[in-house]
Amino acid sequence: GAVVSQHPSRVICKSGTSVKIECRSLDFQATTMFWYRQFPKQSLMLMATSNEGSKATYEQGVEKDKFLINHASLTLSTLTVTSAHPEDSSFYICSARDLGLAVDGIFGPGTRLTVL
Amino acid sequence: GQQLNQSPQSMFIQEGEDVSMNCTSSSIFNTWLWYKQDPGEGPVLLIALYKAGELTSNGRLTAQFGITRKDSFLNISASIPSDVGIYFCAALTGNQFYFGTGTSLTVIP
Repeated sequence: GAVVSQHPSRVICKSGTSVKIECRSLDFQATTMFWYRQFPKQSLMLMATSNEGSKATYEQGVEKDKFLINHASLTLSTLTVTSAHPEDSSFYICSARDLGLAVDGIFGPGTRLTVL
Repeated sequence: GQQLNQSPQSMFIQEGEDVSMNCTSSSIFNTWLWYKQDPGEGPVLLIALYKAGELTSNGRLTAQFGITRKDSFLNISASIPSDVGIYFCAALTGNQFYFGTGTSLTVIP
């Protein structure tokens, strides 16, 4: 079945540094990828939607200059948290869809970001 | 932002009991999905529903896409300890994808 991977699974960084998280669709081409963040005991909050080859669409309240999303190929999207601060610590999860194959809502395993 | 109201927020049940949870929205969606999430992991898709009125089963799980396209429910029959986790509904239309607030399920052996 369709599988989405994320790398790294967890990362600890110092305040002020930038962190890149990768999301890959392993056996299908993802026309669209979604990025979420999740705080403990809360639901997933959509951050942005990205289509391959075009700019991401950010949800209200999400700073696009802080959370840089690149969807350069049909199997890879990256989320870069720039100048990370402790309040950016969260669980970041991506999901991917391929409308052509009716593959929807497949999630990666998530990335735990801790900013010290 | 989220547009889905999921209930109940949490459930504590005895092993063997049936479970029911639902999601409602003020908006119409084309697809309803149900997920289970274990701590520290990404959500795992349980059931996908693509047609209003559709009733779909996956083992002990049964989900229905409401006829109004504004709601969905998930039933778990004869619960077992490994059913413990947080269950989320999700709905999408076009490229808009929204999550419910989650139902935390605890199964007491």
